[in-house]
Amino acid sequence: DAKTTQPTSMDCAEGRAANLPCNHSTISGNEYVYWYRQIHSQGPQYIIHGLKNNETNEMASLIITEDRKSSTLILPHATLRDTAVYYCIEGTGTASKLTFGTGTRLQVTL
Amino acid sequence: DSGVTQTPKHLITATGQRVTLRCSPRSGDLSVYWYQQSLDQGLQFLIQYYNGEERAKGNILERFSAQQFPDLHSELNLSSLELGDSALYFCASSVSGTLLDTQYFGPGTRLTVL
Repeated sequence: DAKTTQPTSMDCAEGRAANLPCNHSTISGNEYVYWYRQIHSQGPQYIIHGLKNNETNEMASLIITEDRKSSTLILPHATLRDTAVYYCIEGTGTASKLTFGTGTRLQVTL
Repeated sequence: DSGVTQTPKHLITATGQRVTLRCSPRSGDLSVYWYQQSLDQGLQFLIQYYNGEERAKGNILERFSAQQFPDLHSELNLSSLELGDSALYFCASSVSGTLLDTQYFGPGTRLTVL
């Protein structure tokens, strides 16, 4: 079973930042936080991952709290194409499977 | 386009039948994963292969089996199909087979069991 908790759904206006929270209060010291998203019924797509430092790439930023019990995925300028289900997943670097929860359904609107 | 290909895109069959889903990983990726997405269970990991060997197993039914061939493509065999097996089946691939390498997902095969 997934060990992270996320809000069921969120809305965001196009052009604004989308901030998607995730709680992972039982995360172990060697577990990373991974974010994937699934647009409609397409295959999931990797976004970003981090261990304890904040991370940024061309798609998003990941902010991890100092106690590592929660994190926030930030899409700086959301577009309609960012409408998707976003999954926050924890796992060690040596693990292999992704354990998906129910995710957050992000709706970006005009 | 992730570089992972899956065939067929759609499959409609009857209960009790057997089907084979095929996956070709990205060039250079040694590991293949299979996931099932159904309305009631969400996205679930089924099984992983790395360079031809089974590496991890998830909630895969005994009626289901998979293999990875020397050319690294993989097949998922589903037999004695039931209505509840109707789902989207995704294949993913990665270089090393650990979470530190991105899993690239294919477009999926939609299986409908009537």
